[in-house]
Formats: sequence, C-alpha cells, structure tokens
Amino acid sequence: DAGVTQSPTHLIKTRGQHVTLRCSPISGHKSVSWYQQVLGQGPQFIFQYYEKEERGRGNFPDRFSARQFPNYSSELNVNALLLGDSALYLCASSWDRGRGPYEQYFGPGTRLTVT
Amino acid sequence: AQSVTQLDSQVPVFEEAPVELRCNYSSSVSVYLFWYVQYPNQGLQLLLKYLSGSTLVKGINGFEAEFNKSQTSFHLRKPSVHISDTAEYFCAVSEGNQGGKLIFGQGTELSVKP
Repeated sequence: DAGVTQSPTHLIKTRGQHVTLRCSPISGHKSVSWYQQVLGQGPQFIFQYYEKEERGRGNFPDRFSARQFPNYSSELNVNALLLGDSALYLCASSWDRGRGPYEQYFGPGTRLTVT
Repeated sequence: AQSVTQLDSQVPVFEEAPVELRCNYSSSVSVYLFWYVQYPNQGLQLLLKYLSGSTLVKGINGFEAEFNKSQTSFHLRKPSVHISDTAEYFCAVSEGNQGGKLIFGQGTELSVKP
C-alpha cells in the first residue's frame, strides 16, 4: 500500500511569492495534519483537517491556509513568502475520528527554500 | 500549555553500546506519547507509542521506552545500538482528543560510531 505522498519534493521561491504544497493521505485515512520543520528544530503543528473541516490550527500567521478535498487529499497554501518560511513541510495522515489519539503517518516532506 | 523537552541535543555512542535518549513533558491533562525517528532527507517514522496500559512499551528496531507519570518522562532506550541507528530522534505528545496535533521536542541527534 502507498504511504503518504507529497508534492513537489523540492521548491525554490522568491520572497513575496505564493506557494501551494500538496498531500495525499494513506487510503482510508480521513485526517490530514501539516507541520513545519525548520532546520535543526522539531516539527511545529500548522493545521489539522478532518472530513474537509479544520479541526485545529497552530500558531501561524494568516498567510498560511489549507483545505481538504472530497478525496481527503489536502493543500497547504502560503502567501507573501518570507525568508523564514524556508523549511521542510511535512504532511501526516491518520484514522483520527476526533476521539484521539491516533497514530500519525508522515510523508517525506516538501523542502521549500525562499530566496 | 503542553511542552516537550529533549534533554540532550546530541548523543554520541559506540556501536553495540546501550543508549538512552531523554524526554520530559509538561501537560495538565492526560497525554499520549510518541517517539519518531528521522533519517537524513526523509520524513518521520514512528518508533513506538504510549497510549494506555503497560508503562513499558516496545517498538521497532529493538527500541523501548518507559512512561513515568510522576516524573513526566518518556525516555527511549536500546540495549545495543547499530551504525544504522544513526539518525535524529523526536519525542512528541498529544493531549486528550487532539489526536491530530502533535507537540514535538527539539530532537536528539544520535551518532553511532564504529
């Protein structure tokens, strides 16, 4: 079975631009969470979506947004990119039905570099 | 508020020696605890988890961890490490019904030398 997939693998953007990152969860998983991992640090929670609704949001500015589609895939959008947005963006999926906890399975990540 | 502290940023150890990676957490409610491993340029792989029941949990690759509620700790151990265990290890917690939100520590870089 395929694991969590993310695209693209690497991305280079310029300050002020917009970026869209994509994630496909494991088949049957309805929950997707997004994390930002800055070099040398642990991942930080950005969003969780379950059944196309936002379940949780971390401490990130409004420039960050996400959505989940009927097939449970998800997009993370970041507007007005800053140098500090350079990071590995990780997507995780789980069986979470709101009564947690459920094991989260991580994708390989998208490496975003902002110049 | 939840927080996770990994007490060692780097742990060098010789092959076949035992190792312990330390993790402490703070939370005002029931927590669930996880250890993940990250190899270079890869995502995170779950090593083991504590949800309930026995406080000693066993995971993949010979790792185990013990949940100590009184000391709010969840230390990871392996009796004999291999070169292939060289990686970054992250301790994480989630609270109550917030299963989709993991709070991670800063990570511990385990370096196994021959």
